[in-house]
Amino acid sequence: AQSVSQHNHHVILSEAASLELGCNYSYGGTVNLFWYVQYPGQHLQLLLKYFSGDPLVKGIKGFEAEFIKSKFSFNLRKPSVQWSDTAEYFCAVNSGGYNKLIFGAGTRLAVHP
Amino acid sequence: ETGVTQSPTHLIKTRGQQVTLRCSSQSGHNTVSWYQQALGQGPQFIFQYYREEENGRGNFPPRFSGLQFPNYSSELNVNALELDDSALYLCASSMTSGRSYNEQFFGPGTRLTVL
Repeated sequence: AQSVSQHNHHVILSEAASLELGCNYSYGGTVNLFWYVQYPGQHLQLLLKYFSGDPLVKGIKGFEAEFIKSKFSFNLRKPSVQWSDTAEYFCAVNSGGYNKLIFGAGTRLAVHP
Repeated sequence: ETGVTQSPTHLIKTRGQQVTLRCSSQSGHNTVSWYQQALGQGPQFIFQYYREEENGRGNFPPRFSGLQFPNYSSELNVNALELDDSALYLCASSMTSGRSYNEQFFGPGTRLTVL
């Protein structure tokens, strides 16, 4: 069965620190990969996505992610976090013939001023 | 804001009762997916509706059922509620065209508490 693992459940950083959140998936075929963010009290929003092509994808708010096929990974990065990045981050995978998303358990990020 | 709305926002039920949750999809979208997000977990796919028919189902028992209406809005029904059904229920709408993946836009969710 397909699954998504997020290595860090809680991350605490100071403003301006660099961020990297890990994501690994288990599926041998073609996948579409996503990072979603859920700010406190708000709905899930798409940060970035990878379908094909350049494995380094850039998303909104300065986030980027790198797809490494050999490692089945799609880690999220940001060079310098801000207090407003405090949120929960979810990695997700889509494969197969319809729009089913498989999510990881999420990483709760707290950024202190 | 995504244009996807859900009602009600919060709901409290007791074990054994039945519940209906509603979702209005974003304008122009023809597909609705439902997810269950338990506390501390990521969303889990329940099922998807396309053209008023179920178009894929996750690992949920038959007491979870749904409908999609001609205007593409949707309902999620859960019978014989159990304590473990307490969760945030998310609706996501998308536009299905061909076999390629189409971005899903999520609503704010309905928080269901089962006592």
